[in-house]
Amino acid sequence: GAGVSQSPSNKVTEKGKDVELRCDPISGHTALYWYRQSLGQGLEFLIYFQGNSAPDKSGLPSDRFSAERTGGSVSTLTIQRTQQEDSAVYLCASSGFAGTGGGYTFGSGTRLTVV
Amino acid sequence: DQQVKQNSPSLSVQEGRISILNCDYTNSMFDYFLWYKKYPAEGPTFLISISSIKDKNEDGRFTVFLNKSAKHLSLHIVPSQPGDSAVYFCAADSGGSYIPTFGRGTSLIVHP
Repeated sequence: GAGVSQSPSNKVTEKGKDVELRCDPISGHTALYWYRQSLGQGLEFLIYFQGNSAPDKSGLPSDRFSAERTGGSVSTLTIQRTQQEDSAVYLCASSGFAGTGGGYTFGSGTRLTVV
Repeated sequence: DQQVKQNSPSLSVQEGRISILNCDYTNSMFDYFLWYKKYPAEGPTFLISISSIKDKNEDGRFTVFLNKSAKHLSLHIVPSQPGDSAVYFCAADSGGSYIPTFGRGTSLIVHP
């Protein structure tokens, strides 16, 4: 596609439920990032995929968070047993090469609200 | 521990004047700096970047200045336009990381 597509755009879930957020990167982009932005905070790095290498999961806040990238394309971020502090905008970005942030293209994000 | 700091959460400027957005960093390993612009309900979009080997980079109305000794960078927008009203994020990374660290953003409002 022309840009990075994220779905759903909005998600309201009850505390304790699991949620899945999807990211369709730009076709051919090898690098994929997940960030989140909580209210009043900056963009917090979560996880980074580069080609077929093992992902960098150093930003995941707890073991309730996991992500996978199938076939080097679509990525799914899963949050298990959601908590209210998980409420944030989850942003996905892709890049055709690692490094030089000008090459990162962000999606519009998924706004997650845990009630 | 914030490695990239944008200490002004908001800035209000009159149309036609200069907007100056500031950013400080603490990690001396950072060697590449970026500014992103974000409108509500949209993802951030890349605006301008600068490598640590330079102290200035200019692109139209946008200029980024880097002061490595002070670990400080700034984005100048001149002249400011109402369409520039958005949240501006400063970000930094190092050559070996490829994972940009972002500040909390500064909300710029340009009044007509």
